[in-house]
Amino acid sequence: GAVVSQHPSRVICKSGTSVKIECRSLDFQATTMFWYRQFPKQSLMLMATSNEGSKATYEQGVEKDKFLINHASLTLSTLTVTSAHPEDSSFYICSASRRIQGENTEAFFGQGTRLTVV
Amino acid sequence: GQQLNQSPQSMFIQEGEDVSMNCTSSSIFNTWLWYKQDPGEGPVLLIALYKAGELTSNGRLTAQFGITRKDSFLNISASIPSDVGIYFCAGQLWRTSYDKVIFGPGTSLSVIP
Repeated sequence: GAVVSQHPSRVICKSGTSVKIECRSLDFQATTMFWYRQFPKQSLMLMATSNEGSKATYEQGVEKDKFLINHASLTLSTLTVTSAHPEDSSFYICSASRRIQGENTEAFFGQGTRLTVV
Repeated sequence: GQQLNQSPQSMFIQEGEDVSMNCTSSSIFNTWLWYKQDPGEGPVLLIALYKAGELTSNGRLTAQFGITRKDSFLNISASIPSDVGIYFCAGQLWRTSYDKVIFGPGTSLSVIP
């Protein structure tokens, strides 16, 4: 399958600081990139969807000023958690999708980033 | 909003047994995807389904895209200890303006040696 690289895999930051997470599709150009958040023992919750060169579409309840998404190219998207607080501690996962067979899509995931805010 | 329901929520089985889990929704999906997630890792795509009625295998895994486009199942034959993990179904909604993929709540699989 296609490879999506997410960096860093773990980060610990102080409350009030900002953290940037990168997501790269290494061997394909991604139609769309997604950012998910996962709490322990729960499923993945979609935070936002972004297409290259356009503003991200945020899901209801996700603060766009808190979670800044930049999608600079077809292979790179970044998520910045601004002014992080302990309640932002979570597992953040990106995925990149590509179209195959017309309208069909495959989505591949990064390794995830464990964010701990202290 | 759109929801995916997965069952069972968790399973404890003996090594060598077959496993079956399914995913249902009230919405129509264009694509069904099945993923496995190990602790601390991102989900890994197991099988992708694109046509209603499609039956696809990947080794010991078999998945089917329901004819109504509102459900899918995943079977694992002759389970082994490394099958342990959380299995998520995911779907791309029919006729969405972008490739939005949503996830089910997951099925936790434990295999007893």
